[in-house]
Amino acid sequence: DIQMTQSPSSLSASVGDRVTITCRASQNVNSYINWYQQKPGRAPKLLIFAASSVHGGAPPRFSGGSLGTDFTLTIFNLQPEDFATYYCQQSYSSPHTFGQGTKLEIK
Amino acid sequence: EVQLVESGGGLAQPGGSLRLSCAASGFSFGDHWMTWVRQAPGRGLEWVASIKKDGSEKQYEDSVKGRFTISRDNAKKTVNLQMNSLRVEDTAVFYCARRQRGWDAIDIWGQGTMVAVSS
Repeated sequence: DIQMTQSPSSLSASVGDRVTITCRASQNVNSYINWYQQKPGRAPKLLIFAASSVHGGAPPRFSGGSLGTDFTLTIFNLQPEDFATYYCQQSYSSPHTFGQGTKLEIK
Repeated sequence: EVQLVESGGGLAQPGGSLRLSCAASGFSFGDHWMTWVRQAPGRGLEWVASIKKDGSEKQYEDSVKGRFTISRDNAKKTVNLQMNSLRVEDTAVFYCARRQRGWDAIDIWGQGTMVAVSS
């Protein structure tokens, strides 16, 4: 199985900041990387697929990138509604494993 | 409106069974793989099982193999998860989810149904 190692596990930031979350795959996933946002008590929402494609409805301040087996989710100009938990997932090989999550909190 | 609505969650005893159902609407159900994802209380997301568009291929997470069975009825636009030999560690919110075509990200999620396994 492909392991997804996500960091950091938690992060404090302020409105207007730029933050980056990283996910490392244990083997090649060929850009089949997705990012989700989840708020307490709610189902996750897809933000980014194919490592860097913004899903319809996701604000353009969300950006995905990659370098080898390392993948990043960057949020520019943090807004109050962005404070949530973020997960990466690989959909290249079954099982489609998730990262452990990053909780983004208000500083 | 594109929608997934789960049902069937509840309380079960260890070793017991539950059957989750998910009703889809607003899209061409037979064109998509379907997936179940779970989330234990206070924990992260865990992929559980997926089923191919025509039901001919099924995939399972190792800890549920042999205990859970995913199935679908394209005529009724439903996907099910039969859960047998339940364990305390299966306690979680279970989400029904649609895989997008192409990159297989999960683009539509249900609201989730709670499964609690306890004696």
